[in-house]
This record gives sequence, C-alpha cells and structure tokens, in this order.
Amino acid sequence: AQSVAQPEDQVNVAEGNPLTVKCTYSVSGNPYLFWYVQYPNRGLQFLLKYITGDNLVKGSYGFEAEFNKSQTSFHLKKPSALVSDSALYFCAVSGASGGSYIPTFGRGTSLIVHP
Amino acid sequence: DARVTQTPRDKVTEMGQEVTMRCQPILGHNTVFWYRQTMMQGLELLAYFRNRAPLDDSGMPKDRFSAEMPDATLATLKIQPSEPRDSAVYFCASGLVDTGELFFGEGSRLTVL
Repeated sequence: AQSVAQPEDQVNVAEGNPLTVKCTYSVSGNPYLFWYVQYPNRGLQFLLKYITGDNLVKGSYGFEAEFNKSQTSFHLKKPSALVSDSALYFCAVSGASGGSYIPTFGRGTSLIVHP
Repeated sequence: DARVTQTPRDKVTEMGQEVTMRCQPILGHNTVFWYRQTMMQGLELLAYFRNRAPLDDSGMPKDRFSAEMPDATLATLKIQPSEPRDSAVYFCASGLVDTGELFFGEGSRLTVL
C-alpha cells in the first residue's frame, strides 16, 4: 500500500524567509509525486510534480521540490515566502501498482507566512 | 480556462433526505475522482473512474452512497439517505492517466441536519 506523511500540521515562517514543507512517502515501484495547494473555500490546485528526470522540480508561484529517493522524501521549498503563500499544502503519491495510478494524499500542512 | 465544475456549491438538508452532487470534468480527461474532505479525516477517496468505468469505490459506504458516470460530461455522487456524519466538502477531480496531476472542482459543501 502507498502512503504519504506530512509530519508538520503547521509551518510558520516570516515573509521573505525561505520555507520548507516536508513530505515523505512509501510506494511500490517508481513514484509519481505531487504537491497541491488549497486556499480557503477552494478546491486543490496543482503546483508541481515529479515523475522522472531531474530531482529538482520547479512549479507554479516560485515553488520547487526536491525528490530524494534514498530518503523517500519530496519536500516543497520556496526561497522567499510571501504572505499570499499562506494556505494548506498537500503532498500526494501514486504508483503504477496494478496500473491504477490512484493518488494518495497526505493530511496537509498549513503554511502561515507572517508579515 | 478549462475547469471542473461542481454543483451545488452549498447544500443544507435534513437527515434522511437524498442528496445528489454533480460534476462536469474537463473535456478530454479520462479519469474522474470523488473525494470527501473533513477536518478529522482529511481527504478521503470515495470513487475513481477511468474512461467512465468505475475502478475503485472501496472508500465509499456502499449502503448509502453511489457514484456514476452516465456520460463523459457528467459524474454524479448520490447519498440516500443522508446522515449528519456525511457533512463534509465533496470534491470532484479529473485528469489524464498519463500525466497524473488532478484538476479539482471548487467542491460541494454538504450540511446534514
């Protein structure tokens, strides 16, 4: 069975500082890894994904994530946080197990960026 | 911009009533998912369709929930009878198997009194 862990319920960071939101995963075979963002009363929005290739993936709004196979991690990063980045962030993993490609989501991390 | 459309956005009903939520996936997408979001459980997968065929509904309470895709432009999630514990935000998402990322609708917030 595949699983995702987001160890922090909440991350607080000052505007202008770098931010990291952590994610570790477990899956059979090669993982498909995703980050999504959810603003209040909205649906989830796709930010970025890793399927293959360069371990550093760049996505929307200046976010990037680094795939680390040995640590089974896919942490989300941004060099300089904005107050508008405050939202709920979800990591997701899927694998080709059984050919289903059904993503499993983490419980989410609330990012709060202070002015 | 292509987007997933869900109706209704908000629904308040009384226990025992039937509730139907509708979703129009993005044209050309071959996967459709229904998720339920609550504070306690987070995001729970309820149903998964590929090319309109139901492939996984193991997360769905079978006695009261049903999900269908009568055609490529419509997916439905029905609860009959509804119970207070069904109160949640229900999301529909669509995507392509080959690329993997999902596009979510804005959700249907259900309150069962």
